[in-house]
Amino acid sequence: GESVGLHLPTLSVQEGDNSIINCAYSNSASDYFIWYKQESGKGPQFIIDIRSNMDKRQGQRVTVLLNKTVKHLSLQIAATQPGDSAVYFCAETFFGNEKLTFGTGTRLTIIP
Amino acid sequence: ETGVTQTPRHLVMGMTNKKSLKCEQHLGHNAMYWYKQSAKKPLELMFVYNFKEQTENNSVPSRFSPECPNSSHLFLHLHTLQPEDSALYLCASSPTGSNQPQHFGDGTRLSIL
Repeated sequence: GESVGLHLPTLSVQEGDNSIINCAYSNSASDYFIWYKQESGKGPQFIIDIRSNMDKRQGQRVTVLLNKTVKHLSLQIAATQPGDSAVYFCAETFFGNEKLTFGTGTRLTIIP
Repeated sequence: ETGVTQTPRHLVMGMTNKKSLKCEQHLGHNAMYWYKQSAKKPLELMFVYNFKEQTENNSVPSRFSPECPNSSHLFLHLHTLQPEDSALYLCASSPTGSNQPQHFGDGTRLSIL
């Protein structure tokens, strides 16, 4: 079946460096993508989203890139801070579908 | 503060007990969701409600019974659960049911003895 997957289950980054978290999706009909951050003991927190008519979107210290040709999504976090340590999930859906399909997540650890 | 409040945060129950999980959203959303989160698995959608009407039941066993009395409140009634039902149960809401970000509560950590 269709699924959203992540290339790396864990990622360690030095504080202050930039980090990139990748996500591969397999449903070519997906046209809406979301990144979530989940800290220990909390629920997933919305970070940023992107629609398929865009290939890049920027937020505060975060950038999401969408490559529809290879069905790839990435989340870039600039100047990482200790508070960025968490599990990051990508999710996908398509217009008219109320379900989100989630990946298993990447654990990002910021090294002081 | 996410705008989605879940209670209790932790629950331990025996397999013969009956309990309920509660979710309340203060975001003015019209869609509400229940998810199950188990270790090393993707989030599993259980139920979807739009404007208080159930629009999705993702083949969830009948020992889980949802209730949505209004667009702001969602319950998950539990009875005769199994050990494999131990997980984090997350509630979410969104403005509509499609192509909008879902906003999550912090979940109820459920342990079945």
